[in-house]
Amino acid sequence: DIQMTQSPSTLSASVGDRVTITCRASQSISSWLAWYQQKPGKAPKLLIYKASSLESGVPSRFSGSGSGTEFTLTISSLQPDDFATYYCQQYNSYSFTFGPGTKVDIK
Amino acid sequence: QVQLRQWGAGLLKPSETLSLTCAVYGGSFSGYYWSWIRQPPGKGLEWIGDVHHSGSTNYNPSLKSRVTISVDTSNNQFSLKLSSVTAADTAVYYCARPRLTATKTCFDYWGQGTLLTVSS
Repeated sequence: DIQMTQSPSTLSASVGDRVTITCRASQSISSWLAWYQQKPGKAPKLLIYKASSLESGVPSRFSGSGSGTEFTLTISSLQPDDFATYYCQQYNSYSFTFGPGTKVDIK
Repeated sequence: QVQLRQWGAGLLKPSETLSLTCAVYGGSFSGYYWSWIRQPPGKGLEWIGDVHHSGSTNYNPSLKSRVTISVDTSNNQFSLKLSSVTAADTAVYYCARPRLTATKTCFDYWGQGTLLTVSS
């Protein structure tokens, strides 16, 4: 299986901050990477697919970049609704794997 | 609007079999590989497996010996069975729809989740 790692595991930030989360794959996954946001007690919500494509309805302050083995999710100006846990997922090959998550909390 | 609604037993004893069903409302059922994903309390997400509307399946190798995913196209439903559960299987189980009808994709619609607790 392809192993996914994320850093940092926790990130403390303030409203208005620019936030960057990194995801790394144990082998190249081309651009077959998605980012999700999850809030407590809720299912994950798709934010970004194919590394940099914004899912319909997702605010433009979210952006993704990268290819191969290193990827980033950036929130350009953190909003109160963005405090959540973020996961990356590779879908280059079965079985699909997720990163361990990055919790973004209030500083 | 696509909706996934899931149901099944939430409390099992060790060695019992988990059985969950997910019904799909709205959108097309055909052409997709429908997935099950789980999340232990306070932990990350684990893909369990998927089933195509034709009945073909793919499973996570770590669970393959205990998992069966099946489809009921007449009712736009798919199901998960996980045998010989242990405390390590305690998790929230989600059904999910892939974003595309391709075999490998990410997930844009999710069920509400079902908490399975395994305890004697």
